Amino acid sequence: GAGVSQSPSNKVTEKGKDVELRCDPISGHTALYWYRQSLGQGLEFLIYFQGNSAPDKSGLPSDRFSAERTGGSVSTLTIQRTQQEDSAVYLCASSSGWEAFFGQGTRLTVV
Amino acid sequence: GESVGLHLPTLSVQEGDNSIINCAYSNSASDYFIWYKQESGKGPQFIIDIRSNMDKRQGQRVTVLLNKTVKHLSLQIAATQPGDSAVYFCAENRGFNKFYFGSGTKLNVKP
Repeated sequence: GAGVSQSPSNKVTEKGKDVELRCDPISGHTALYWYRQSLGQGLEFLIYFQGNSAPDKSGLPSDRFSAERTGGSVSTLTIQRTQQEDSAVYLCASSSGWEAFFGQGTRLTVV
Repeated sequence: GESVGLHLPTLSVQEGDNSIINCAYSNSASDYFIWYKQESGKGPQFIIDIRSNMDKRQGQRVTVLLNKTVKHLSLQIAATQPGDSAVYFCAENRGFNKFYFGSGTKLNVKP
């Protein structure tokens, strides 16, 4: 595709349920990032993938959060046993050496 | 546990005035920088970039200044308009295709 695609665009889930958020990066981009943005706040780093290297998971807030990147392309961010404080916009970005683009984000609401 | 959000600094300017948004970076080896604009409900959009072999780059109504001596990046918006109200992020490429994104500054344009 022409840009970074995230799905779903909106997700409402009940507290305690698991959710999966998907990111399709720009073709050829070897790096992929997940960020979280709570309402009215700044970007919070979650995880970074680069090629076949081990991901940088240093930003994941708890062990309920995990992410995978299959085949160096599509990535899935999984949140287990969701809590209300997980409500936020989850942004994905992909980059090559000289450009980095964001998707439109997934707005997650935990009720 | 309770998630801790990232404080989003706010810059308020009068319509028609010039705006300056600042960003400090920490790695002297960073060789490429990008500014993004995020309007409400949307993902961050690329505005302008600059490479480390330059100290100034101009776009349409926007100018990015790079001061490598003090590791400082700024975005200047001329004749600020209501449509410029958004959150602005800087990003630095520290090499090996890894971008670090700042947490953002909110620009509020007063009519």
